[in-house]
Amino acid sequence: DTGVSQNPRHKITKRGQNVTFRCDPISEHNRLYWYRQTLGQGPEFLTYFQNEAQLEKSRLLSDRFSAERPKGSFSTLEIQRTEQGDSAMYLCASSFRLNTGELFFGEGSRLTVL
Amino acid sequence: TQLLEQSPQFLSIQEGENLTVYCNSSSVFSSLQWYRQEPGEGPVLLVTVVTGGEVKKLKRLTFQFGDARKDSSLHITAAQPGDTGLYLCAGAVGGGTSYGKLTFGQGTILTVHP
Repeated sequence: DTGVSQNPRHKITKRGQNVTFRCDPISEHNRLYWYRQTLGQGPEFLTYFQNEAQLEKSRLLSDRFSAERPKGSFSTLEIQRTEQGDSAMYLCASSFRLNTGELFFGEGSRLTVL
Repeated sequence: TQLLEQSPQFLSIQEGENLTVYCNSSSVFSSLQWYRQEPGEGPVLLVTVVTGGEVKKLKRLTFQFGDARKDSSLHITAAQPGDTGLYLCAGAVGGGTSYGKLTFGQGTILTVHP
C-alpha cells in the first residue's frame, strides 16, 4: 500500500516526557502537512513542508513542538515536556504541489498524556 | 483568522431520508473541500469546489459552493447506513503555497439507522 503511513498509532505517556511521531508520505508527494485534532473538533493546521523546507511553523502550538523533514521524505513531529492538554490525534497529510490542494491523510497518531 | 461554522453538529436519521449539512463563514475561500472521517481514521477527501456557484455530484452526494465563495452545502439523497461518519468542510485561502493549509469546520456527526 502506498498511502500515508504514521507511527506509532497510539502513544500513552506521562506528563513531562518527550514524544516523537513519524510520518511517511506518499512517495511522489513533495508537500507534507501536520494537523492536530482534538475530540469533537475538526483538524487544526500546525505546520507544513515542501520537500525539506519548512514553509510555515507559526501555527505550532508552542516552542515545545517541533517538526523536521531532513531529506524531504519522511517527517517527524516532536513534543517536548508533554502536558495533558497535548492529548489529541496528530494527523499527517501529503499532497503534490501542482494539484488543487487535495490532501491525503494518514490514519493519525493518538497521544494520551497522563 | 478564518472560521468555518458547520451545522448541524449532530444528525441522526433513518435509512432512505435526505439530509443537508451546511458550512458557513464570513471569509472568502479560494477553494473548499469536503472530507469524511471514520472513528480512528484520517479524513478522506470527497470533493473540492473552487468556483462560486459550482455544483458537483458524487453518486447520492451533491456539493454546492456559494456564489460568494463563503459557504457550502452537502446534500445526501436516500441516506444509507454506510454514509455514517464525521463530515468535515475545509477551506483554503489563497492559492499556490497556501493549498493544503486548510481551515476545518468542527464537523457534523451523521448516523444513519437501518
